[in-house]
Amino acid sequence: DAEITQSPRHKITETGRQVTLACHQTWNHNNMFWYRQDLGHGLRLIHYSYGVQDTNKGEVSDGYSVSRSNTEDLPLTLESAASSQTSVYFCASGTSYEQYFGPGTRLTVT
Amino acid sequence: GQNIDQPTEMTATEGAIVQINCTYQTSGFNGLFWYQQHAGEAPTFLSYNVLDGLEEKGRFSSFLSRSKGYSYLLLKELQMKDSASYLCAHMRAGSYQLTFGKGTKLSVIP
Repeated sequence: DAEITQSPRHKITETGRQVTLACHQTWNHNNMFWYRQDLGHGLRLIHYSYGVQDTNKGEVSDGYSVSRSNTEDLPLTLESAASSQTSVYFCASGTSYEQYFGPGTRLTVT
Repeated sequence: GQNIDQPTEMTATEGAIVQINCTYQTSGFNGLFWYQQHAGEAPTFLSYNVLDGLEEKGRFSSFLSRSKGYSYLLLKELQMKDSASYLCAHMRAGSYQLTFGKGTKLSVIP
């Protein structure tokens, strides 16, 4: 069965460190997305990609970057982690009529 | 999602019917999505509406009125396991991005 996976599921890091969160999907979707979810804000879009070598900024992209070298993967990098980036991060992939989420990564920046 | 409104919390009785409303404003529209999210888990896709009217899927139905910028999710024969947050999201025309509301936390009581 097709799926979307994320790793790690939990991560604790220190302020200033670079962190990369992995996302892998086997749906063969061209479209992939990264969201963060915080109490009081709901899901907010960080970055998205509509295909290989395509990346775009979302609503809350400052301090984050992504790269898309193949269809299956969209890693999210925090260049220099900040306490404000403590959150739950969800990766998603989809089409114009469906979008499926990965299980999430809980990131704590101390 | 600044331009999507849904109630913050609702409570309903097991076996009953509940309607969760969502209003949205967008300059262009490409579909309305509903997701269910249990505490500590990822959102799971429930429904997609792009045309006006009611879409039924078992105990869950979703309605859309594009002229009114209005949708609702109808849950019938409520079960305790339906206690979750329900997220409304719209997709803007010309994009595959979803903009989410803050979610409605539904509590089902015996």
